[in-house]
Amino acid sequence: QKEVEQNSGPLSVPEGAIASLNCTYSDRGSQSFFWYRQYSGKSPELIMFIYSNGDKEDGRFTAQLNKASQYVSLLIRDSQPSDSATYLCAVSGAAGNKLTFGGGTRVLVKP
Amino acid sequence: EAQVTQNPRYLITVTGKKLTVTCSQNMNHEYMSWYRQDPGLGLRQIYYSMNVEVTDKGDVPEGYKVSRKEKRNFPLILESPSPNQTSLYFCASSPSAPGNQPQHFGDGTRLSIL
Repeated sequence: QKEVEQNSGPLSVPEGAIASLNCTYSDRGSQSFFWYRQYSGKSPELIMFIYSNGDKEDGRFTAQLNKASQYVSLLIRDSQPSDSATYLCAVSGAAGNKLTFGGGTRVLVKP
Repeated sequence: EAQVTQNPRYLITVTGKKLTVTCSQNMNHEYMSWYRQDPGLGLRQIYYSMNVEVTDKGDVPEGYKVSRKEKRNFPLILESPSPNQTSLYFCASSPSAPGNQPQHFGDGTRLSIL
């Protein structure tokens, strides 16, 4: 079983709609959770991070964390074609010195 | 400009020929790390370093070596490369351990081992 799991997609959403991405993790001691966006051929770039249960909003992005259920999600509101990319979920373990990534979810926003 | 610089960006080489991929950061970050990225597998951590002379294995360290003699540099060494090490490699750094700090990534190095 992979430590951090994501649906590989592609997740196809029409422009202006909400894209919902999910990520589950196996280590109950995980402390920090990150969402990175990666365009094809480019390096990952941080979108958001979240530490506490609940929601965290930043512009069109909302991260949701539920530690009891061991999942973290990312909502992209008003999706734009420029949001078409692979979204990587990353989880920091209890010790905080390692970062484990999921396989990524490919998102396609269609005009 | 704050950045993580990897060299080379692309390399095609043959099995068994030792190679080094350099990584340098100009942000005085303590934590540095190497990842490899393969289709469908996301980023997998190879080695990481909490500070100078402090390195530790990640999830896929076999076939790789690292060193951290200076704070800014963290080279990745493949002593005897094999075709299964063909991959896209990323170096990353952060001010401290990644548990509470986002990673700054280099532009990547695409290695092909024939």
